[in-house]
Amino acid sequence: DTGVSQDPRHKITKRGQNVTFRCDPISEHNRLYWYRQTLGQGPEFLTYFQNEAQLEKSRLLSDRFSAERPKGSFSTLEIQRTEQGDSAMYLCASSSGTGVNGYTFGSGTRLTVV
Amino acid sequence: AQSVTQLDSQVPVFEEAPVELRCNYSSSVSVYLFWYVQYPNQGLQLLLKYLSGSTLVESINGFEAEFNKSQTSFHLRKPSVHISDTAEYFCAVSSMDSSYKLIFGSGTRLLVRP
Repeated sequence: DTGVSQDPRHKITKRGQNVTFRCDPISEHNRLYWYRQTLGQGPEFLTYFQNEAQLEKSRLLSDRFSAERPKGSFSTLEIQRTEQGDSAMYLCASSSGTGVNGYTFGSGTRLTVV
Repeated sequence: AQSVTQLDSQVPVFEEAPVELRCNYSSSVSVYLFWYVQYPNQGLQLLLKYLSGSTLVESINGFEAEFNKSQTSFHLRKPSVHISDTAEYFCAVSSMDSSYKLIFGSGTRLLVRP
């Protein structure tokens, strides 16, 4: 168990470009969550998966955002036509079937849109 | 729907002094309560949690939090802080529905000075 891994750690992109982030959860965790954190704020929920099924999406997740978790293992979060307002830290977390143990978070991917 | 309010954005304190970080929540249903800590350039780490039972919960590094249902609060305390406790602290609630989605407060930056 090496924890939750996120790649890349940092991403700088030009406005209008597409970006994709990857998250590798703890192997025995069936739930995977994506959060977004902007400077001075707490993490905001974006979406979550139970195994390969995406069960909930926040209204924060516009049509330019898409997330997948093929085969219920790693997950990707893609942002199309990036905007400066997308600049944030994108956090991935995983957990076992119940919420009693909280989540294990990755170190995040910091996106800067210039 | 749930919400979390952390009343202080920053708390400066001298080393070895006591500290209290305040957290109030709002929910129409029963919730689990958590405190997470975030060190610079790192992901969030679970500090402690309240699920049920004793209203006073403790972490391994000297922090404690007390659940107060009547005041809907879950304040975090430490009797004597160290320089190494300097970090951002986030209070969070999780509903007991199937998503176990975490809702975070905006965070409190604890700044410990020598």
